[in-house]
Amino acid sequence: QSVLTQPPSVSAAPGQKVTISCSGSTSNIGTNFVSWYQQFPGAAPKLVIYDTNSRPSGIPDRFSGSKSGTSATLAITGLQTGDEADYYCGTWDSSLSDVLFGGGTKLTVL
Amino acid sequence: VQLVESGGGLVQPGGSLRLSCTASGFTFRRYSFDWVRQAPGKGLEWVSSISSSSSSKYFADSVKGRFTISRDDAKNAVFLQMNSLRAEDTAVYYCARNEIFGVVTLDLWGQGTLVTVSS
Repeated sequence: QSVLTQPPSVSAAPGQKVTISCSGSTSNIGTNFVSWYQQFPGAAPKLVIYDTNSRPSGIPDRFSGSKSGTSATLAITGLQTGDEADYYCGTWDSSLSDVLFGGGTKLTVL
Repeated sequence: VQLVESGGGLVQPGGSLRLSCTASGFTFRRYSFDWVRQAPGKGLEWVSSISSSSSSKYFADSVKGRFTISRDDAKNAVFLQMNSLRAEDTAVYYCARNEIFGVVTLDLWGQGTLVTVSS
């Protein structure tokens, strides 16, 4: 049971927009930056959002991040079949002094 | 710019294993490093972090007292010593780079090394 809660799966059609939520608490998301990771089967995770709403070089602006209170959101617009992957949120917990990951969300592009 | 893990393999319950993560292409001493594992078919689980100066080291409760983390800046390497291994430690272990200790921005990952704990 992860401290950060993500929906197990989301789906949308190509070209549409999808959002993935990540719910935490005051000591983690409420206080610290959030990052998001994309993982394809059999591959290592890849950073797609850091500092809650910043994109690393090479990540298209179709990917965006936001936060409100103790919840964070990853949004992907103009969905492509190549976006089908598992997505994980991550953050620091100031009370636990631990790195936390969400349970992961499987994105299906119908 | 890459991280390469090694040292995984099959080990019996109660045994030990030492994982290595060798870095190249960037200024190793500037960064903190994390170990993150993924059990078969499961999500990501953070294992341990070490700061750039080695002054701060943190561990997940599930491995506290059994795993230790260290680094050798001369060799551009991070190590995870795993003792008293259990079946539930079976996973792919990833090494990841983090620029600021305490801010989770794992911007570079290795390919992972598989650890299997079984008799």
